[in-house]
This record gives sequence, C-alpha cells and structure tokens, in this order.
Amino acid sequence: EVQLVESGGGLVQPGGSLRLSCAASGFTFSNYWMHWVRQAPGKGLVWVSRMNGDGTTTNHADSVKGRFTISRDNAKNTLYLQMNSLRAEDTAVYYCARAPPSGYNWFDPWGQGTLVTVSS
Amino acid sequence: QSVLTQPPSASGTPGQRVTISCSGSSSNIGSNTLSWYQQLPGTAPKLLIYNNNQRPSGVPDRFSGSKSGTSASLAISGLQSEDEADYYCAAWDDSLSGGVAFGGGTKLTVL
Repeated sequence: EVQLVESGGGLVQPGGSLRLSCAASGFTFSNYWMHWVRQAPGKGLVWVSRMNGDGTTTNHADSVKGRFTISRDNAKNTLYLQMNSLRAEDTAVYYCARAPPSGYNWFDPWGQGTLVTVSS
Repeated sequence: QSVLTQPPSASGTPGQRVTISCSGSSSNIGSNTLSWYQQLPGTAPKLLIYNNNQRPSGVPDRFSGSKSGTSASLAISGLQSEDEADYYCAAWDDSLSGGVAFGGGTKLTVL
C-alpha cells in the first residue's frame, strides 16, 4: 500500500524554525516528484514546494522562498521541509504528496498532514 | 486570492447532476493539465481527476472532468450524500514565479 506519513509539526514562536518529515512506503520513492502543500485553518490549499526524484530540481512558492527548503533522503525514503524565520501566516496543516515521475503536477496520494502553529 | 477561480459554493439534491467550474488563464489551465481533488471534512485531499479528464482507479464514474481553453469543470452525476465535501482544481502555472496554482475551493452541499 502506498503511504505517506508526515511528522514534525507543533507550536513554534515567530522567527523560529521547524523541520517537517514525510516518510514514504509502498513505492519506489526515488522515482517520484514530491510536493508540500499547506492549508491554513478554514482556508484552501496552497502549494509550497516540490522536488524531483533525484533531488536535483526544486521549486518553492514566492511566499516561502528564502525561508523554506525542501530536501529528500532517498536511502531513508523520506522527504523534508526545513522551515526557518516562521511567521504567523505560516500556520497551517502541511501535507506531503506524491506526483508522477513524468513531472506532471497532480498529487496522489496525500499524507494525513501535520499541523504547524506559529504563535507567541 | 487564488490564481484559479472557483465558485465558493454549490448544491444539489440526491440523484441530481451538479457541475463545478474552474477558470484560469493561458499560463495555467490554458497550457497545462488540470486535476481535481475532493476533501471530506477533517481529512486529507484525495485525487478525483487527473490529466483533465482521467479518473484514478477506485473513483466512481459519476465523477467526470473536462477542459476547454482556460476553463474546466467537474461534473458529479447521481449526487449522493457522501459527495458533500470541498472540491479543488489545480494546474501548474508557467508565469514567472511558477508553481502549482489551486482554486479557492468549492463547498458542495447535498440538500
């Protein structure tokens, strides 16, 4: 069964840092693009970042560029999101999602999400 | 404000057919494939439609997608109570910033 499990969320003060993890299983992780998508409480989905299978290509949304970094460890089948200089507006549930090896940008499956709360 | 535009709400009665629209531009829907997601309350999104009109295995054929130019739509026929959810469209955007653009979401209510 293809599965994605996020972890690492929690409460952090403004200006602080957090690293999210997404453990993948049930498929050849290194073949797939992986993405992070977030959803603020009561709001819609917002794309955050993506990385290709071998880790050589990344893209980030303007809202997180320079503050967030996506990375992966294919030996551990794990995707990461390093989040620095966190702001209140970064408060959201963060989902990791798998996209096809072809580079097309549709997401299947999604993890269950991990909640990040930025507050003093 | 979302790059892709969806109506905030839609509704229908059981058995009815409803459609949800998604409007974009030449840099997103007009030049890239579109996908649709269903998000039931308190759960993660689920892929409903990919590559404009393809259904993943396990998605009922009551759900269908179409695209024309810079607009797209999701149709749900034979509406059921369990279809009550939020629906999102998404497409890559080729604009300077790039990235995946999502619609703002449509809350479907089954009356």
